[in-house]
Amino acid sequence: RKEVEQDPGPFNVPEGATVAFNCTYSNSASQSFFWYRQDCRKEPKLLMSVYSSGNEDGRFTAQLNRASQYISLLIRDSKLSDSATYLCVSFGEAGTALIFGKGTTLSVSS
Amino acid sequence: GAGVSQTPSNKVTEKGKYVELRCDPISGHTALYWYRQSLGQGPEFLIYFQGTGAADDSGLPNDRFFAVRPEGSVSTLKIQRTERGDSAVYLCASSLGPKDTQYFGPGTRLTVL
Repeated sequence: RKEVEQDPGPFNVPEGATVAFNCTYSNSASQSFFWYRQDCRKEPKLLMSVYSSGNEDGRFTAQLNRASQYISLLIRDSKLSDSATYLCVSFGEAGTALIFGKGTTLSVSS
Repeated sequence: GAGVSQTPSNKVTEKGKYVELRCDPISGHTALYWYRQSLGQGPEFLIYFQGTGAADDSGLPNDRFFAVRPEGSVSTLKIQRTERGDSAVYLCASSLGPKDTQYFGPGTRLTVL
């Protein structure tokens, strides 16, 4: 079983839609969590960190549920430019290596 | 400022050959990481350097893979006797310190024929 699991999608949504991605992690010792965004044939870039209290950055909201070992990302009012792969990431037990899920592909159409 | 740079951007080699991939981290970043990303997968950790030393090499798949960072800045990932299964994008990342945000370079796309 992979340490971080997420639905690969693809999620195909129209502009303006709200879309939610979920992710589960198996290592309860994981300390920190992130969402990274990766465009086709580009490197991953940090989208946002995920906190137990939840955090919001504009149209993006991330949540962490440690009891259920579950992470989510909500995107409101989707834009064409949101089309990308979203990688759920945990900080490994050693606290140095990032552990990535396979990624969820989002395609926003007009 | 300049981000993480990697050279070459693409490398095509034949099975059994030796390859070197270079990573130039962000200036001042003490931590450097190598990851490997296969098609349809997320990046997988290979090795982590803190300064000049490999602090965690638990992700290296076998002894054909080796990495160095002799002066605590530029790092080279070396792969001996390449196999077709080594084909992937090799990503380098750096961070200010070991638990700080990791910034990725554009990667080297390695193809082993």
